[in-house]
Amino acid sequence: EVQLVESGGDLVQPGGSLRLSCTASGLTFSSFWMTWVRQASGKGLEWVANINQDGGEKHYVDSVKGRFTISRDNARKSLYLQMNSLRAEDTAVYYCARDLRGRSGWYFDYWGQGTLVTVSS
Amino acid sequence: DIQMTQSPSSLSASVGDRVTITCRASQTINTYLNWYQQKPGKAPRLLIHGASSLQSGVSSRFSGSGSGTDFTLTISSLQPEDFATYYCQLSYSSPRTFGPGTKVDFK
Repeated sequence: EVQLVESGGDLVQPGGSLRLSCTASGLTFSSFWMTWVRQASGKGLEWVANINQDGGEKHYVDSVKGRFTISRDNARKSLYLQMNSLRAEDTAVYYCARDLRGRSGWYFDYWGQGTLVTVSS
Repeated sequence: DIQMTQSPSSLSASVGDRVTITCRASQTINTYLNWYQQKPGKAPRLLIHGASSLQSGVSSRFSGSGSGTDFTLTISSLQPEDFATYYCQLSYSSPRTFGPGTKVDFK
């Protein structure tokens, strides 16, 4: 059974930093792209960033470029999101997901349960 | 970047109803379109990928269609467990943009 478990969410002050982790089991982690998606309370889903199998290719939504860094450690089967210069608008539940390439595009077939990041003074 | 819109933003329906949700892309995207279902407090669940391919384990009452810029998610006979929010998603490149969502609730 595939499991993705996020951790690291917390209350942090504006301008602060936080690192989220996502630990995978039940899949060959090193073979897949991975992604982060966030959702502010009562709002829709927002794709945040993704990373390829060896960490050499990364993409970000414009609103986090230069502040967030996605990375991975395949030996530890772990995905990370380093978040710096946090803003109130970064407050959200953050999900990690497997980013799978199919015949007609990419899709997120396995998701974690999410971890809550709150940016507030 | 390509923008995704959905209509309606919400709808009220009854068990047994046929429900249709529309997603539109700001540029043609062939069939690079996914659909997800999300219930309150839960992670999203993939329903349809590639515009019309049913994800393994998903009920056949869900179907997707469309290509180019206009897409449809249809629930053939709404069940109690289908009351949720549905999102479309662009699937051929990054950013993997989501639509704003359609909430389906009880009439």
